[in-house]
Amino acid sequence: EVQVVESGGGLVQPGGSLRLSCEASGFTFSKFAMSWVRQAPGKGLEWVSAISAGGTTYYAASVKGRFTISRDNSKDTLDLHMNSLRAEDTAIYYCAKGEVSEWLLRYGMDVWGQGTTVTVSS
Amino acid sequence: QSVLTQPPSVSGTPGQRVTISCSGSESNIAGNYVYWYRQLPGAAPKLLIHRNNQRPSGVPDRFSASRSATSASLAISGLRPEDEADYYCSAWEESLGGPVFGGGTKLTVL
Repeated sequence: EVQVVESGGGLVQPGGSLRLSCEASGFTFSKFAMSWVRQAPGKGLEWVSAISAGGTTYYAASVKGRFTISRDNSKDTLDLHMNSLRAEDTAIYYCAKGEVSEWLLRYGMDVWGQGTTVTVSS
Repeated sequence: QSVLTQPPSVSGTPGQRVTISCSGSESNIAGNYVYWYRQLPGAAPKLLIHRNNQRPSGVPDRFSASRSATSASLAISGLRPEDEADYYCSAWEESLGGPVFGGGTKLTVL
């Protein structure tokens, strides 16, 4: 079964840091782009960041310079390092598998995890 | 304010057909694939339609979708109580370098 499972969420103070992880299984991880999408409480979906199979990274303007996405194809894992966290970063963060290897080919995401909750509050 | 515009809610009775619209622009829906995701209460989004009108394996043919110029629509026929969920459209946004989503439409089965 193709699946991705997130971990690492929690409560963090404004200005703090957190690392989210996503473990993939059931598919050849190294051949697909991967992405993070978040959903603030009671709100819609917002794309956060993506990484192509080859390692090129992409970020939404709201997180650029604060978040870093990375992948370890030897361990089938995806990470999101989040720094300088703000209250508006509070959300459920979903890991999602891209349909193809290259993010800029403009395809969507076909498999999503259950999400991990990040709360930024003092 | 979402880049793609969806109605906040739609409703129907069991067996009916409902449609959900998604309005965008030249920089997103026009020229890019549209995707539809379904999110059951308390659950993660799940792919319902990809590449404008293609159903992934396991999605029943009660679900269909279309795209025209800068808008798209999702149709659900033979409505069932278990179809109650939030539905999101999505398309690549050229200015963002990533996908944008509609605000979501809550489907209520009366």
